[in-house]
Amino acid sequence: DGGITQSPKYLFRKEGQNVTLSCEQNLNHDAMYWYRQDPGQGLRLIYYSQIVNDFQKGDIAEGYSVSREKKESFPLTVTSAQKNPTAFYLCASRPLVGLEPQHFGDGTRLSIL
Amino acid sequence: KNEVEQSPQNLTAQEGEFITINCSYSVGISALHWLQQHPGGGIVSLFMLSSGKKKHGRLIATINIQEKHSSLHITASHPRDSAVYICAVLTGYALNFGKGTSLLVTP
Repeated sequence: DGGITQSPKYLFRKEGQNVTLSCEQNLNHDAMYWYRQDPGQGLRLIYYSQIVNDFQKGDIAEGYSVSREKKESFPLTVTSAQKNPTAFYLCASRPLVGLEPQHFGDGTRLSIL
Repeated sequence: KNEVEQSPQNLTAQEGEFITINCSYSVGISALHWLQQHPGGGIVSLFMLSSGKKKHGRLIATINIQEKHSSLHITASHPRDSAVYICAVLTGYALNFGKGTSLLVTP
């Protein structure tokens, strides 16, 4: 079955540490997205990519970095510059052509130790 | 100010009741999504619509482009419908999300 796989499901970060969240899709979608969800708030866009080796900042990109070396993969690194990283992170993808809904992964919950 | 407003924020209903969740937006859109998020966190797309009405089982979604308003209806609600329902609008290449409506259906 096609879908989006996020790993790990739970992640703990120490102060000053960078951590990387994995997102892999086998849907052959061109566009991929990273969102952050905090309690009581809507999902907010961190980064998105429409094509390999290209990506754009979203609304809350500070303290995060991404790469898009392969069409299937869009990892997100939460750097030590992100002072409040505790949140639920969701990866999504969709084709660029046509009005197909975004597909979402099951998310990664990041906490600070 | 959020561009997507949902109401109500929380909703409790008894099994069998007809439920309506509303979504208003303030920007031009190419499509509107209704999403369902269960306690584990995963999100499922229920509908994507750009005009009119769509129906899937007990779920009905409508949109009025002129009034910038959409509604999600659940007929004959069931406890398994308990979840957070999220409205999101597609502007450009990304989605803008509402804060969600938390629905609890009691037996």
